[in-house]
Amino acid sequence: NAGVTQTPKFQVLKTGQSMTLQCAQDMNHNSMYWYRQDPGMGLRLIYYSASEGTTDKGEVPNGYNVSRLNKREFSLRLESAAPSQTSVYFCASSVGLAGNYIQYFGAGTRLSVL
Amino acid sequence: KNEVEQSPQNLTAQEGEFITINCSYSVGISALHWLQQHPGGGIVSLFMLSSGKKKHGRLIATINIQEKHSSLHITASHPRDSAVYICAVLGGSQGNLIFGKGTKLSVKP
Repeated sequence: NAGVTQTPKFQVLKTGQSMTLQCAQDMNHNSMYWYRQDPGMGLRLIYYSASEGTTDKGEVPNGYNVSRLNKREFSLRLESAAPSQTSVYFCASSVGLAGNYIQYFGAGTRLSVL
Repeated sequence: KNEVEQSPQNLTAQEGEFITINCSYSVGISALHWLQQHPGGGIVSLFMLSSGKKKHGRLIATINIQEKHSSLHITASHPRDSAVYICAVLGGSQGNLIFGKGTKLSVKP
């Protein structure tokens, strides 16, 4: 039972390069999320998808785009990476929107932008 | 202004001690979440509660809605409890979770 799978686990980019972080869940969850975690700060929401076919901005969406490819998959794209995007990224999913449902997290992607 | 405040930021305990981690929030909520982040980075949900108390093994979570405060207790702490414990509440304008900065717990043998 895989749960939430994120790839890659680690990535180093140069400023200006692009990349896509992949996330897939096998729990038939409706809602999916992308967070970033920076030292000394709580997890912050980048984008979320309440259900298949919808995406919405979270607290810190600038510099990112997302695609809810189908019910299982939710990808995060950095079009032109910047050093400020160095962070640990977590994908999560839940049956419904966050407040009243437990979220299940992927293992995280550690991204460094040089 | 932090909508979710946790205390203490860091906590060191001896094996067997009773641990309390506190969470205060400033927004109205429907549910409060406690999560655990392992030293390797993985995050798991421990509790979701909207009133009273919940218990799972040696972990107990309580919430006082009127005082906007929750506590996470660990009884008979063990080195494997060493982790960062995170509190989160529903509070964002988008209806999303707002996370505290976490409490780093280290339990020494």
